[in-house]
Amino acid sequence: DTEVTQTPKHLVMGMTNKKSLKCEQHMGHRAMYWYKQKAKKPPELMFVYSYEKLSINESVPSRFSPECPNSSLLNLHLHALQPEDSALYLCASSQGGLEETQYFGPGTRLLVL
Amino acid sequence: GQQLNQSPQSMFIQEGEDVSMNCTSSSIFNTWLWYKQEPGEGPVLLIALYKAGELTSNGRLTAQFGITRKDSFLNISASIPSDVGIYFCAGQLLRDDKIIFGKGTRLHILP
Repeated sequence: DTEVTQTPKHLVMGMTNKKSLKCEQHMGHRAMYWYKQKAKKPPELMFVYSYEKLSINESVPSRFSPECPNSSLLNLHLHALQPEDSALYLCASSQGGLEETQYFGPGTRLLVL
Repeated sequence: GQQLNQSPQSMFIQEGEDVSMNCTSSSIFNTWLWYKQEPGEGPVLLIALYKAGELTSNGRLTAQFGITRKDSFLNISASIPSDVGIYFCAGQLLRDDKIIFGKGTRLHILP
């Protein structure tokens, strides 16, 4: 298994909803990442988990809450989002820490109404 | 913050032509990565470069880590329709630093 999977593929939510994005990898990677990508722009780093501990938070608003239940899973809990949060949310993983090459999942396309 | 200057921004080429794109920076990078992203998908790693001067191929793709460590290029030979997509360069300043992405090169292949 050499892939990062993400669910759901698409998500539409209202500004008062609570939803979660899920990411899973079974490559034994110990670092996992959340990126946000707006149309025609490169991915922007949001969070990094290294060995199941949050190691980087790129000043992301608290309406985004990451969670790493174990070394294979990464969640992103969403609450009270704004329409400008609509984007493609990408998960990535790497074997070790930031020094290792990152592999991306297919992303969850989020639309906030 | 640190920036990568990726060019060209977009390319329109005929099938069968060779393609060249590059990234430059005013800073020295320890790692250069090239990703391809197709619509609705995440970036897929094409080539990773870890040493200055390194030249690496992956099928019809060839990438080089510049000697000065401030640039990298990606060449695609004999382009085919499935090469269409956005190509991102990415680099790491330090071995334990986050990835910085270029703005991408959008490749179009004319029929």
